[in-house]
Amino acid sequence: EAEVAQSPRYKITEKSQAVAFWCDPISGHATLYWYRQILGQGPELLVQFQDESVVDDSQLPKDRFSAERLKGVDSTLKIQPAELGDSAMYLCASSPRTGIETQYFGPGTRLLVL
Amino acid sequence: KQEVTQIPAALSVPEGENLVLNCSFTDSAIYNLQWFRQDPGKGLTSLLLIQSSQREQTSGRLNASLDKSSGRSTLYIAASQPGDSATYLCAANSGGSARQLTFGSGTQLTVLP
Repeated sequence: EAEVAQSPRYKITEKSQAVAFWCDPISGHATLYWYRQILGQGPELLVQFQDESVVDDSQLPKDRFSAERLKGVDSTLKIQPAELGDSAMYLCASSPRTGIETQYFGPGTRLLVL
Repeated sequence: KQEVTQIPAALSVPEGENLVLNCSFTDSAIYNLQWFRQDPGKGLTSLLLIQSSQREQTSGRLNASLDKSSGRSTLYIAASQPGDSATYLCAANSGGSARQLTFGSGTQLTVLP
């Protein structure tokens, strides 16, 4: 069964350092989402791609966060510089297209900023 | 802006009990309502998706209902098992052409053997 892949699974960094997360969606899925989930809360959307284009990044802290999906397949989310409050689970999800289908989630990357 | 609330935040039941998890949303203009399961430190697994035109969906021991007019959904779990222990999240799919999910904070379920 096809799955969404994410790496690394865990990342520990010091504040002010740069970190990057990678996501490979299910093959053929045009829509890709990055979420941030703080412990004890539900995921919050950071950025949504349709193919290589950003559909919505209104909740992305653009002063420190950036996301790209250059060829419309895999994606990278970067934080520079990391702050203590960035400690969270970063989840990637994909769906065949933007719309009413369910989203398929990867295992997530757990980030701890010291 | 859509807001989703889940009550209770945590629930502990003995094995074999039937239970209900509640989800409420503020904007009834949704395309669908989805229930997910999340095991500790893991990603989300989709359980059920109810289209806005539907009243309920069933999968095995799980039954989800949707009442758009009142802004509520329930997830019914029959004959609970220790393996059902996880956090259950509901998400409302709304928001124009982007069709985004707004999640609740989840209900952490523990089924005691």
